[in-house]
Amino acid sequence: GAVVSQHPSWVICKSGTSVKIECRSLDFQATTMFWYRQFPKQSLMLMATSNEGSKATYEQGVEKDKFLINHASLTLSTLTVTSAHPEDSSFYICSASRLAGGDTGELFFGEGSRLTVL
Amino acid sequence: GQNIDQPTEMTATEGAIVQINCTYQTSGFNGLFWYQQHAGEAPTFLSYNVLDGLEEKGRFSSFLSRSKGYSYLLLKELQMKDSASYLCAAMDSNYQLIWGAGTKLIIKP
Repeated sequence: GAVVSQHPSWVICKSGTSVKIECRSLDFQATTMFWYRQFPKQSLMLMATSNEGSKATYEQGVEKDKFLINHASLTLSTLTVTSAHPEDSSFYICSASRLAGGDTGELFFGEGSRLTVL
Repeated sequence: GQNIDQPTEMTATEGAIVQINCTYQTSGFNGLFWYQQHAGEAPTFLSYNVLDGLEEKGRFSSFLSRSKGYSYLLLKELQMKDSASYLCAAMDSNYQLIWGAGTKLIIKP
């Protein structure tokens, strides 16, 4: 199956700093990528949908200036958590689909990135 | 509003069969997904149903009834490694996934 790689797997940072998480589709072109966050013992929460070459679509309640998403190529999307605070500590997961609009029978997930903000 | 309901937790015995149910209400419908998620890991895809009926894939099967807004995931010959959370997700008319809270499946020897 298709592979999506997410980096870093773990990151610890100080409050007020910015953290960038990368999501790469290794063997296919991902026209659409999704970013989720997951708090302990809770379900995935979609943060935003990004299509290559266009601005990301953010879900209600997600601050676009705080969670910067860039999908500059068909194989790479990045999520930057700006001015991170302890409440931003979470498990961030990306997924990718081959077709635009998420019209696919399968989403390929990255391994997830666990962010801890001190 | 859009909503997914699935049981919070289920317990089953190794070697047995378990059925995890999911009901959904979405604005439009473009398919129903089941994912498996082990603690601390990202979800992995199990199945996708868009037509009514049963899809069998090895020890796992998934069923969909669009008229009832209902799906289930059937796991046979349970193994200890099947202990995980099972997430039901429905895709709406905008191709957005609406996620259930997940069912934690506990397998006992």
